[in-house]
Amino acid sequence: AQSVAQPEDQVNVAEGNPLTVKCTYSVSGNPYLFWYVQYPNRGLQFLLKYITGDNLVKGSYGFEAEFNKSQTSFHLKKPSALVSDSALYFCAVRDTNAGKSTFGDGTTLTVKP
Amino acid sequence: DGGITQSPKYLFRKEGQNVTLSCEQNLNHDAMYWYRQDPGQGLRLIYYSQIVNDFQKGDIAEGYSVSREKKESFPLTVTSAQKNPTAFYLCASSITGDRTVSGNTIYFGEGSWLTVV
Repeated sequence: AQSVAQPEDQVNVAEGNPLTVKCTYSVSGNPYLFWYVQYPNRGLQFLLKYITGDNLVKGSYGFEAEFNKSQTSFHLKKPSALVSDSALYFCAVRDTNAGKSTFGDGTTLTVKP
Repeated sequence: DGGITQSPKYLFRKEGQNVTLSCEQNLNHDAMYWYRQDPGQGLRLIYYSQIVNDFQKGDIAEGYSVSREKKESFPLTVTSAQKNPTAFYLCASSITGDRTVSGNTIYFGEGSWLTVV
């Protein structure tokens, strides 16, 4: 079985400060890991993914995420937050042995000016 | 433009009524999915289809039905058996649902709101 956890329902940061949105996962095989962003009343937009290779993955809008196998984590980061980054963020995992992905419950990021 | 189109954006259902949500994609993707989103509960998989004329139940299929007669279309019917259908419904697709293909990114439509009145 596969699972993913986003331990924080809400993350608040000031504009210009670095941000981190946490994600941990559990899989039986090797993980494929994804981050998506959702703005109000919209669908999810793909940000980045980890398949293999370099543990630091760079994605859209200046976001990046670091795969840490020993800690089974895939935290989303950005060096300098923007007010426009305020949204709901989802982490997802797919076990290489699974036919479908599992999504976390989401973390609401609020960036204050 | 390539993408996934869901319609209608807002739909109201009366008690005992079946309603159908449309999902069309022009990405030439083999796999398509339906998710339900409730506040604070993330996304839950209703049904998915890896190829035309084939589909599988997800985690919460009861009270829903689907068809996949064409590659580009995957409509979802919310039946009267679904007792709590009020939610945001998301259709999605990926190049293939084949588990052996690494890192298939799932792409989403803009969603449809269903409300029981």
